Amino acid sequence: QKEVEQNSGPLSVPEGAIASLNCTYSDRGSQSFFWYRQYSGKSPELIMFIYSNGDKEDGRFTAQLNKASQYVSLLIRDSQPSDSATYLCAVNSGGYQKVTFGTGTKLQVIP
Amino acid sequence: DVKVTQSSRYLVKRTGEKVFLECVQDMDHENMFWYRQDPGLGLRLIYFSYDVKMKEKGDIPEGYSVSREKKERFSLILESASTNQTSMYLCASSFPLTGDSPLHFGNGTRLTVT
Repeated sequence: QKEVEQNSGPLSVPEGAIASLNCTYSDRGSQSFFWYRQYSGKSPELIMFIYSNGDKEDGRFTAQLNKASQYVSLLIRDSQPSDSATYLCAVNSGGYQKVTFGTGTKLQVIP
Repeated sequence: DVKVTQSSRYLVKRTGEKVFLECVQDMDHENMFWYRQDPGLGLRLIYFSYDVKMKEKGDIPEGYSVSREKKERFSLILESASTNQTSMYLCASSFPLTGDSPLHFGNGTRLTVT
């Protein structure tokens, strides 16, 4: 069973701080990694994807991938109350995008 | 922008009913997916399709079937609804066929089976 693990939280950070969200996966053959944000009552929306080891930055968001250690993380700089949501880590381990999702980490940004 | 439209936002059905959930996407995506989302269990893949009339079982296909007669439309069918199928159902699509394209989700259908 391919697994994707996330701490369910809630992770509480003050406004303006850096939020760090982590995800580990079990399948060493995994190739594509995604972070989705899901507001309460809404559907997931893509924030970032990463395929190569290292960091990928997009505005206030940075995704980090370490395939040797089998973890992927998302850093949110200058956290805002509007960032309060559940963040889902998703991993694609095979063809036709059979993506496995973690259960999500709930982030609360305190004004 | 990609638009994935699910026909109903809320549905209430009785045990034993046959239930159809419809999903339409407007971006000519090859791949379409049905997930269910439950608290503490996350998103679980029910079925997916990578082409018209093609379907593949996901992780939890029992009690469900699907139909894809046209590229833009992917239907989820609950043959005989049961209370344990009460859930949020999410349709998604993606392009191309390889595994490096993100999923675009519909707004979800919250199904209650009584």
